[in-house]
Amino acid sequence: QKEVEQNSGPLSVPEGAIASLNCTYSDRGSQSFFWYRQYSGKSPELIMFIYSNGDKEDGRFTAQLNKASQYVSLLIRDSQPSDSATYLCAVRGSGGSNYKLTFGKGTLLTVNP
Amino acid sequence: DAGITQSPRHKVTETGTPVTLRCHQTENHRYMYWYRQDPGHGLRLIHYSYGVKDTDKGEVSDGYSVSRSKTEDFLLTLESATSSQTSVYFCATTSGGTLMDTQYFGPGTRLTVL
Repeated sequence: QKEVEQNSGPLSVPEGAIASLNCTYSDRGSQSFFWYRQYSGKSPELIMFIYSNGDKEDGRFTAQLNKASQYVSLLIRDSQPSDSATYLCAVRGSGGSNYKLTFGKGTLLTVNP
Repeated sequence: DAGITQSPRHKVTETGTPVTLRCHQTENHRYMYWYRQDPGHGLRLIHYSYGVKDTDKGEVSDGYSVSRSKTEDFLLTLESATSSQTSVYFCATTSGGTLMDTQYFGPGTRLTVL
């Protein structure tokens, strides 16, 4: 069973701070990784994906990937109250499972004004 | 958004009754998925489809069946609903299995089994 683990949270940060969300995965063959945001009572929506080692930036969001350590993270700079949500890490399977995603249980982020 | 709708959006039913949830997409995506989401468990894959009439089991498939007779529709059936199937059900779609393909989610169906 392929596993995806996220820091359990909840995570609380003040407005304007950097929020750091972490994820580890067990499938060493995984090649692509996704961060979804889910507001309470809503469906998950994609924030970013990453498939190369290193950093990928999109506005206030930065995804970081280290395949050797099987670790992926999401940094949110200048956190806003509207960033308060649950963040889901998802990992694409390898080989014959490359059309399936395995999700972590999510980390609840609260940004305090 | 990938043009995904789910129906019904909310349903309350009784133990032992059959229930069918519908997912409809307008993007002509090949792959479709059914997940359930429960507190403490996250999103778990129930069944998925890789084409018309082509389906396979996910990690929590017991008690569920699916059908896909058209590209745009993917049905999830609970043969005899149990209280443990009370959950929020999400449908998702993606166009293919390439490295960057993203799954897009429907709005969800909240099912309560009494």
